[in-house]
Amino acid sequence: KAGVTQTPRYLIKTRGQQVTLSCSPISGHRSVSWYQQTPGQGLQFLFEYFSETQRNKGNFPGRFSGRQFSNSRSEMNVSTLELGDSALYLCASSLAGITAYGYTFGSGTRLTVV
Amino acid sequence: AQKVTQAQTEISVVEKEDVTLDCVYETRDTTYYLFWYKQPPSGELVFLIRRNSFDEQNEISGRYSWNFQKSTSSFNFTITASQVVDSAVYFCALSEALNTGNQFYFGTGTSLTVIP
Repeated sequence: KAGVTQTPRYLIKTRGQQVTLSCSPISGHRSVSWYQQTPGQGLQFLFEYFSETQRNKGNFPGRFSGRQFSNSRSEMNVSTLELGDSALYLCASSLAGITAYGYTFGSGTRLTVV
Repeated sequence: AQKVTQAQTEISVVEKEDVTLDCVYETRDTTYYLFWYKQPPSGELVFLIRRNSFDEQNEISGRYSWNFQKSTSSFNFTITASQVVDSAVYFCALSEALNTGNQFYFGTGTSLTVIP
């Protein structure tokens, strides 16, 4: 059974550019969540999608956006990149979209903004 | 306010020693869930254990055990007979049942190094 797949694994972008990260959840999972991990702020919740609807959003600026497709694959986009956006972005998927039942995390996309 | 506090930033132990990772949480919900995740150098968060707020029974699962005490809002995690492969960053996390959207609140992590 394939796990959560995130692409690309590594990315280097220039300040001011935009970037799109992709997450393919475990087959059958309908919920996808995104987290940002930085040394200074730790793991912070970005947003969560369930059946193509954003149900919750963390405290991030509007430059961070996401979407989920009908096949549950999700993308997140960051526009006008800043140096502080350099981070490991983790995606997690869940069958029922309930944290109590567990989420499976991917290996992340490491974004470096120069 | 920080919902999950992991006061230990780094811990080093010699192989075969037992090690306990501390976690203190804060929530006003009466129903909540606590988790421990492990993050190896590869980056993914690996689920270890889960506990709900109604079950304070402490258990042992292989080399892992946990001590959940609502009175002190603590959810400590112990690895018995540590191995080099246990070296990783360990995160304690909280999920509040009333919180729609189901997000985790993570602690800042404890980096564990097991020395051979």
